[in-house]
This record gives sequence, C-alpha cells and structure tokens, in this order.
Amino acid sequence: EVQLVESGGGLVQPGRSLKLSCAASGFTFSNYDMAWVRQAPTKGLEWVASISTGGGNTYYRDSVKGRFTISRDNAKSTLYLQMDSLRSEDTATYYCARQDPGISVMDAWGQGASVTVSS
Amino acid sequence: DTVLTQSPALAVSPGERVTISCRASESVSTLMHWYQQKPGQQPKLLIYLASNLESGVPARFSGSGSGTDFTLTIDPVEADDTATYYCQQSWNDPPTFGSGTKLEIK
Repeated sequence: EVQLVESGGGLVQPGRSLKLSCAASGFTFSNYDMAWVRQAPTKGLEWVASISTGGGNTYYRDSVKGRFTISRDNAKSTLYLQMDSLRSEDTATYYCARQDPGISVMDAWGQGASVTVSS
Repeated sequence: DTVLTQSPALAVSPGERVTISCRASESVSTLMHWYQQKPGQQPKLLIYLASNLESGVPARFSGSGSGTDFTLTIDPVEADDTATYYCQQSWNDPPTFGSGTKLEIK
C-alpha cells in the first residue's frame, strides 16, 4: 500500500524557518517525481514545488522561490521542504504528493502537515 | 499561469447525474486531471489525462474533454460523493488547480 506521511508542521513566527518531511513507503520512491501542494484554511489547492526522480531538477511557484527548498533522500525514501523567511500567507496544510514523471499527475497524497505562521 | 475556472457549488439528489465543468484559460491538450477531496481529508485522484479512470475509482465517475473545456460526470450520484472536486492541469507550467466545485447531495 502506498503511504506518504508528513511531519514537521507547527506554529512559527514570521521570518522564521521550518522543515517538513514526508516519509514514503509501499512503492519505489526513486522512480517518481514528488511534489508539495498546500491548502490555506478554507481555500483551494495550490502547487508549491516539485522535484525530479534523482533530485537534479527542482521547480517552484514564484511566491516561494528563494525562500523554499525542496529536496529528497532516495536512500531514506524521504521528501523534504525547507521553508525559510516564512510569511503569514504561507499558513496552510502542506501535502506531499507522488507525481507521475511523464504526465505530472499527483496520484497519491499524504494526510497533510499544518503550518501556521503567526506572531 | 493557466487559470482553471470551475462553478463554485452544485446540489443534486441521490441517483441523479451530475456534470462538473472546468474551463482552462488556454489549451492544456488532454493533460487535465480530477481530484476529490472530502472534508478533513487529503485529495484523491479520480481521473487522469481527461478521461482515464484511476484504479479503484468506481465506474460511476467519468471524464471528458480536450483543449480548454473539460467535464467530470458522476452517474448515478451517491450520498458518499459529498466533496469538493478539483481539476488540475499539467500541460503548462506551473501546474494549476481550479478553485473547486463543492458538491452537496440533497
């Protein structure tokens, strides 16, 4: 069974940092691109970042470029999102998603990690 | 960015047929996907590449369209289908989602 389990969420002050992790199991992690998608309270889904199978290619939405870093450790089957210089508008539930390398559909999702940016 | 427009909400009775639309601001070929999100849960993939049913998803769900106009059809609707449905395109960068259609079962 495919499982994606996020951790690392919490309450953080504006301007501070937080690192999310996503532990994957039930599939060959290194064969899939991976993504982070967020959902602000009562709002819709918003793609944040993606990373290729080997980690050599990363992609970000404009609003997080230069502040967020997506990375992966294929030996540990774990995806990461380092979030720096956090802003109140980054408050959201962050989902880890498995992404088909060919068509970029997100075919498996974690349960989400809640991030609240507030003083 | 490619904007995906969905109607905000629909209400139907069990047993009826419902179509949920998604219009793209530019062509996305057939790289359109549909997700279901129930309250308090993570999204779940229903349809990929416009019309392909994800494994394990009931055949009551179907998708169609290409270019800029897409539809998700549920026939017949069941009470358990209460959820918000999102379309997502992966043809143009960055990938974008529609704002979601909240489906209420009367």
